[in-house]
Amino acid sequence: GAVVSQHPSRVICKSGTSVKIECRSLDFQATTMFWYRQFPKQSLMLMATSNEGSKATYEQGVEKDKFLINHASLTLSTLTVTSAHPEDSSFYICSARIGAGNNEKLFFGSGTQLSVL
Amino acid sequence: RKEVEQDPGPFNVPEGATVAFNCTYSNSASQSFFWYRQDCRKEPKLLMSVYSSGNEDGRFTAQLNRASQYISLLIRDSKLSDSATYLCVVNSGGFKTIFGAGTRLFVKA
Repeated sequence: GAVVSQHPSRVICKSGTSVKIECRSLDFQATTMFWYRQFPKQSLMLMATSNEGSKATYEQGVEKDKFLINHASLTLSTLTVTSAHPEDSSFYICSARIGAGNNEKLFFGSGTQLSVL
Repeated sequence: RKEVEQDPGPFNVPEGATVAFNCTYSNSASQSFFWYRQDCRKEPKLLMSVYSSGNEDGRFTAQLNRASQYISLLIRDSKLSDSATYLCVVNSGGFKTIFGAGTRLFVKA
């Protein structure tokens, strides 16, 4: 099956620093990738849809200047958390979608646990 | 009202038990429905799609009721390895995929 690689798996950083998370589709081209955030005991919340070659589409309430998304190629999307603060500590996960309708499948990266001190 | 709502958990069941989860969705135009499984601090993995006619995969049975706007997942003969969070996922068309908050299942020996 399709593989999505995400790294780093864990980041611990100081408040005020920026953190970049990479999401790669290893054996297929993903024109669209999705970025989610998940707080403990809560479900995945879609942050933004990353479109290759164009600007990302952000969900309501997500600051686009704080969560920078770049999708420069068909196999790579990056999420940069700028000037991270403790409240940004969360589990960030990306996914790529293949197919449509009931044949749709979402392939997820393994996630990044961000801890901001 | 949330777009996708699931049974509150956790469900604590003994091995061998049958357990059922329900999920309701608010958008009547929703087109595709799925159940995903997520283990703690891991990525979600597709368990099964949900078809209008209902579908079964081994010990797992999924059903869709469009009139009442809910889907269900039935797990028979529960195993310890079934312990996880089960996510109801609804696609309302286009790229709008909504995840439910998840139902936690604990299967005990």
